[in-house]
Amino acid sequence: DIEMTQSPSSLSASVGDRVTITCRASESIDNYLSWFQQRAGKAPKLLIFAASRLQSGVPSRFSGSGSGTDFTLTISSLQPEDFATYYCQQIYSGPRTFGQGTKVEIK
Amino acid sequence: MQLVESGGGLVQPGGSLRLSCEGSGFTFRTYWMNWVRQAPGQGLEWVANIKEDGSETHYVDSVKGRFTVSRDNTKNSLSLQMNSLRAEDTAVYFCARDYARTLGNGRHYYMDVWGKGTTVTVSS
Repeated sequence: DIEMTQSPSSLSASVGDRVTITCRASESIDNYLSWFQQRAGKAPKLLIFAASRLQSGVPSRFSGSGSGTDFTLTISSLQPEDFATYYCQQIYSGPRTFGQGTKVEIK
Repeated sequence: MQLVESGGGLVQPGGSLRLSCEGSGFTFRTYWMNWVRQAPGQGLEWVANIKEDGSETHYVDSVKGRFTVSRDNTKNSLSLQMNSLRAEDTAVYFCARDYARTLGNGRHYYMDVWGKGTTVTVSS
């Protein structure tokens, strides 16, 4: 199975900060990667698909990049509603494994 | 577009439970569907999925032989039959729609609509 590793596991940031979260696959997954946001007690919300395509309705401050094994989710200017946990997921092959999550907390 | 899960509850180890997910606001029969779970305080784990017509299913290794995913397109309904339940199956179970889109390098699937989840607790 393909293993997905996110870093960092958590981070503290302030409103207006630029935030970058990294996701690494244990083997190449081309660009078959999604990013999700999950607020406490809520269902996950799709942000990015195909590594870099912004889902409809998602603010443009969110962006994704990468291909192969290394991927990045960037929030260009953190807003209060962005404090949440973020997950990557591969859809390339086998079980659709998620990363372990990155919790973005208020500094 | 909406997905609503039901059927969660408290069950003893070794017991069974059947979860349901009802879709509305979209053409249910034209989408792959997924189950994803989240243990208390833990991350997301993909559990199973099923093809549009129910002819193909896939499972994570930890539930193979114990869980069965099925669907009834006449009722816009997805089910997860869970047998031989273990403490480690305790989680919130979400159903999620797979949206398929053909891009330059192939067909991409991504989970774009999610239910709010139903809680399963396996404990004596």
